[in-house]
Formats: sequence, structure tokens, C-alpha cells
Amino acid sequence: NAGVTQTPKFRVLKTGQSMTLLCAQDMNHEYMYWYRQDPGMGLRLIHYSVGEGTTAKGEVPDGYNVSRLKKQNFLLGLESAAPSQTSVYFCASSPLGRGGSQPQHFGDGTRLSIL
Amino acid sequence: GNSVTQMEGPVTLSEEAFLTINCTYTATGYPSLFWYVQYPGEGLQLLLKATKADDKGSNKGFEATYRKETTSFHLEKGSVQVSDSAVYFCALHLNTNAGKSTFGDGTTLTVKP
Repeated sequence: NAGVTQTPKFRVLKTGQSMTLLCAQDMNHEYMYWYRQDPGMGLRLIHYSVGEGTTAKGEVPDGYNVSRLKKQNFLLGLESAAPSQTSVYFCASSPLGRGGSQPQHFGDGTRLSIL
Repeated sequence: GNSVTQMEGPVTLSEEAFLTINCTYTATGYPSLFWYVQYPGEGLQLLLKATKADDKGSNKGFEATYRKETTSFHLEKGSVQVSDSAVYFCALHLNTNAGKSTFGDGTTLTVKP
């Protein structure tokens, strides 16, 4: 009953370092998403994927890259971390559904601090 | 474009009080509407949904009715508990939008004993 699993849960980086956040879902969902959540700003979509091998930019894509080589995994990369990327990152997935009626399923988040 | 406007918080209530969190939307199409809840240290989880006009979603004592004429989906609960303290997000989905959701900014609810 895992659902959406995010790795790691916490991380502290120095400015300029790189890292990859991993998201894995075991529900065979087509769509996957990466969001960041900052105080007073709700959820902002970074990148998303509509299927294996596809990715697309969301609202705030700059400074991030993503890959979806396998249907169940969606990776978020920071090539050169900046303090402005300090945030809580959430991955979500959803199945195909008629009329957009399917909800998104969220992981528990990765808390990332850039010093 | 699509947007969701939620009642600004934070909201503080006493236990057993009546709760309303307002949500209005604009959409280029016919969306499905959702309420998600986020407890401290966790991700968002679906609370309830409605997929067509006049549908009422309900769960754990919470209710919301899809009102197309007023483009609203207000969340209500008759008697809140301390355990309802969380952040509540209203959201809309359009099937034509690659499954992407539009979220409100969230409303923080604190229930005091």
C-alpha cells in the first residue's frame, strides 16, 4: 500500500551542488508531477509527465530538469542548487480519467535546504 | 486561464464550531472540483470531489456542493474537531489540460479545544 514514495525525505545542500530527487509510484498511473510548496505561495508546478518517456514544463521550471525513463519513476534534478530553491518538494501521480475526474495522489514531500 | 480563489486564512475555531471555507473558480471548460487536506509534515490527500454541477462531495463530515451558477465549491463541516486542524486546498481539473490541476493557495485551519 505504498502509493507515492519520495526519496530522500530531508536534504541539506550547499550552493552549487547538484542532486536528484526520486519519486516512485506503484499504482500504474500515467501522469506524474513535481511541485514545490513555499510559505504563502501554495503549490507551484515545476514539471510534469503524461507518460513514460515524456516530460513538459510547468509554471516554474527554471533551474530544474526531469526524466521519466520508467513509467513508475519520475526524477527531479537540480544541476546547481541555489538558496532560492530551498523548499518542500512534492511528487504526485494520477491515472487517466474521463473529464479530469481523477484526483492526484501525493507523496509526503522532500524538505530541501540550500545553504 | 484557469484559477481557484480560496478564502484567506488562517482560520481559528473552537471545537464543535461550524466551518465554511469559500472556494470560487474560473475555468475554460467544465472542470471537476476537489478539496484536498494537508496535515503537518505530510503530503496532500483527497478529502472529497464533485465532477458535475449540483453534485455534492462528502467525507469525514465535510461536504461541498458544485455550484456552476456561482462557480463555487465551498467546504463545510457542521462540528469541527481538534484533529481537523490542517491546511485545506481547493482544486480544479480539466481533462483537456493533460491532467494538470489548478490549486488554490490553501487555507490553514486551527481548531482549539
